[in-house]
Amino acid sequence: QQQVKQSPQSLIVQKGGISIINCAYENTAFDYFPWYQQFPGKGPALLIAIRPDVSEKKEGRFTISFNKSAKQFSLHIMDSQPGDSATYFCAANSQGAQKLVFGQGTRLTINP
Amino acid sequence: NAGVTQTPKFRILKIGQSMTLQCTQDMNHNYMYWYRQDPGMGLKLIYYSVGAGITDKGEVPNGYNVSRSTTEDFPLRLELAAPSQTSVYFCASSYLSEFYNYGYTFGSGTRLTVV
Repeated sequence: QQQVKQSPQSLIVQKGGISIINCAYENTAFDYFPWYQQFPGKGPALLIAIRPDVSEKKEGRFTISFNKSAKQFSLHIMDSQPGDSATYFCAANSQGAQKLVFGQGTRLTINP
Repeated sequence: NAGVTQTPKFRILKIGQSMTLQCTQDMNHNYMYWYRQDPGMGLKLIYYSVGAGITDKGEVPNGYNVSRSTTEDFPLRLELAAPSQTSVYFCASSYLSEFYNYGYTFGSGTRLTVV
């Protein structure tokens, strides 16, 4: 099963709050999990990525948490800012399959 | 370094017309992709290529064609445009790294309206 299921579809968070976006997958061969950030009128851009040999990866205010046994991973945005308002996509890939499988996307709005 | 360049940025087509969406990358990436993104929806893969002369269908290939004669260019051809092809089209490229870091680089998109 190649699907990656992402939730929620949309999310509104107050400035300074924590934004959490979740993704779940079925294919146990997946071994690379990136997150992409897309601003209106722009193409998606790689934000942060994780391999399943670690349970967490942090880059600034952005953290990926990974639960291999549950086949779930999530993006946490700490101290969310209005400039974080964008659409976020999770994705997954496996070695030898050079195509990312994308989640459905989450439209995040940070209210000032 | 321009990355992935898509042209045109906007286009309005009449039903039944044809057009080619251009995509070029200057990063010497061997893999290239075409996605479409409909409002409120995710990214759907149309076609992809793992190298010059090699192309393969994605999940929504009907109504589209591609070619890959060079590493740099991956044009997407729409034949007999239909309203269902109204969408934003993104081209992307990536590379196979020994450090296992699949870095997709996306273009800025082409917004196509078929009327």
